[in-house]
Amino acid sequence: QVQLVQSGAEVKKPGASVKVSCKASGYTFTSYYMHWVRQAPGQGLEWMGIINPSGGSTSYAQKFQGRVTMTRDTSTSTVYMELSSLRSEDTAVYYCARGYYELAVWGQGTLVTVSS
Amino acid sequence: DIQMTQSPSTLSASVGDRVTITCRASQSISSWLAWYQQKPGKAPKLLIYKASSLESGVPSRFSGSGSGTEFTLTISSLQPDDFATYYCQQYNSYSLTFGGGTKVEIK
Repeated sequence: QVQLVQSGAEVKKPGASVKVSCKASGYTFTSYYMHWVRQAPGQGLEWMGIINPSGGSTSYAQKFQGRVTMTRDTSTSTVYMELSSLRSEDTAVYYCARGYYELAVWGQGTLVTVSS
Repeated sequence: DIQMTQSPSTLSASVGDRVTITCRASQSISSWLAWYQQKPGKAPKLLIYKASSLESGVPSRFSGSGSGTEFTLTISSLQPDDFATYYCQQYNSYSLTFGGGTKVEIK
């Protein structure tokens, strides 16, 4: 079955970076775009960006430009999201989600806590 | 960026009620709108795509309508499993935006 499995929870200090992984299975990895969406505690959903696993091209939300990098490894069917210069406001659950216009398959989420 | 405004932010309803949630876009998005349901501690679940297409496996009591800037999600007869938060999401030019969410609570 189609599945996205994300890496485990992280605790980071302000100013550090975090890299979250999302391993895809059950479908052809390069056939579907992947998005990253985050959700701060008690808040709504916030789109961060998109990566095309086929060629690696990316597009990021303006809010995260310069701080986020999305990459992929086709040999392991895994996409990565790295967020740098972390601050307390980046504490959130980070999701990968498959799709282009709409997001039909989601990972289980990765909690990233930023705290000194 | 296109802004998505959902209303109401909270809705109290009873089992069996017909429920309607509205989502407005700051500019026309044609029919590039999706609806999601999210329960606490879980990832969102796609309900409706392209404004009115029902995702496979989603009960037929869920329906979507609208185009341009105004969209609605309707639950024809609210069931106990439907108490959750609902989000709309637009797609435009390689960018997504979500609405602020509507929490459907038990009356």
